[in-house]
Amino acid sequence: EVHLVQSGAEVKKPGESLNISCKASGFTFTDSWIAWVRQMPGKGLEWMGIIYPSDSNTKYSPSFEGQVTISVDKSISTAYLQWSSLKASDTAMYYCATAFISRCYFHSWGQGTPVTVSS
Amino acid sequence: EIVMTQSPVTLSVSPGERATLSCRASQSVSGNLAWYHQKPGQTPRLLIYGASTRATGAPARFSGSGSGTEFTLTISSLQSEDFGVYYCQHYDYWPLTFGGGTKVEIK
Repeated sequence: EVHLVQSGAEVKKPGESLNISCKASGFTFTDSWIAWVRQMPGKGLEWMGIIYPSDSNTKYSPSFEGQVTISVDKSISTAYLQWSSLKASDTAMYYCATAFISRCYFHSWGQGTPVTVSS
Repeated sequence: EIVMTQSPVTLSVSPGERATLSCRASQSVSGNLAWYHQKPGQTPRLLIYGASTRATGAPARFSGSGSGTEFTLTISSLQSEDFGVYYCQHYDYWPLTFGGGTKVEIK
């Protein structure tokens, strides 16, 4: 069974860095895409970007390019979403999700990581 | 970037009635369209992919149709557990985008 287990809730200050994780199991990590999706409080889903763990090929939404970094560690089947300098507007729930190599709809989702950025 | 527009924003439906949700793409996405359901406080769940194929575990009362730029999700007989927000998402090419969602309320 596919499982995506995300790291826990984070409370940070503006300007701090952050790295959240998504550990995969139950499927071939290197044969699937792993995406990150943002959901701001009371708002809809926003696709941030996606990575193919086999070769770290990464695609970003223009809205998030340069604002975050998506990476993977194949050795532990884990994907990461990183910020170098958080803003209050980064306060949101962040989901990881997985898609098949040839068809990027998201058949399995992590439980979400809530991130709060406040001074 | 393809813009996905969902309508209506809110839909109030009585249990047992039919619900019809629409999703329009700003340019053709062929049949590369998925639908998700999200209940409050829960993770989104895949319902439909390929515009019309039900995902594993999706009840038969959910059906999808359309191609190109116009898509429809139909709930044939609304159940109480169907409330929440429904999102469409295209996966034709990068960047992927979601629609803004349709909130289904139980009347």
